[in-house]
Amino acid sequence: EVQLVESGGGLVQPGRSLKLSCTASGFTFNNFGMAWVRQAPTKGLEWVASISFGGSSTYYRDSVKGRFTISRDNAKNTQYLQMDSLRSEDTATYYCARHEEFGWYFDFWGPGTMVTVSS
Amino acid sequence: LMTQTPVALSVSLGGQVSVSCRSSQSLVHRDGNTYLHWYLQKSGQSPRLLIYRVSNRFSGVPDRFSGSGSGTDFTLRISRVEPEDLGVYYCLQSTHFRTFGGGTKLELK
Repeated sequence: EVQLVESGGGLVQPGRSLKLSCTASGFTFNNFGMAWVRQAPTKGLEWVASISFGGSSTYYRDSVKGRFTISRDNAKNTQYLQMDSLRSEDTATYYCARHEEFGWYFDFWGPGTMVTVSS
Repeated sequence: LMTQTPVALSVSLGGQVSVSCRSSQSLVHRDGNTYLHWYLQKSGQSPRLLIYRVSNRFSGVPDRFSGSGSGTDFTLRISRVEPEDLGVYYCLQSTHFRTFGGGTKLELK
């Protein structure tokens, strides 16, 4: 059974940093691309970043480029999202998601971790 | 830009509903495939995949769910609506990077 579990969320002040983790199980982690998708309170879904199965390719939405860094450690079956220079508009539940085999959609999601950016 | 309509929908159990997703540009990829997918997010849960590449049901998704469409206009149909079908439906296009529609909330009448 595919399982994705996020951790690392919490309350952080504007301008500060936070690092999210997502630990995977139930599949061969290094065979799949991974992603982060977020959802602001009462709002819709928004893709944030993706990383290829080997980690050599990364992709970001414009609003987080230069501030967020996606990475992965295949030995630990874990992906990360380093979030720097956080803004109030980054407040959201952050979901870890697995890309399907060819990367075109997300087939499994974690339960999410909440990030609140506020002073 | 992905536009979903309606924003909210009321249905009776056992009824049928349709959700529309319209793109501002064609979703036909240069490889000839159309990358439009549908998700359901129940209250307090993470989204789950229902339909991928317009009309393919994901593993375990009942045949009450069907997807159709082409180019810029796509439809998700749900027949014989059951209580577990209630929630917010999102379309996702991945032909041009990745963009979700705004969501359609399905409620009981």
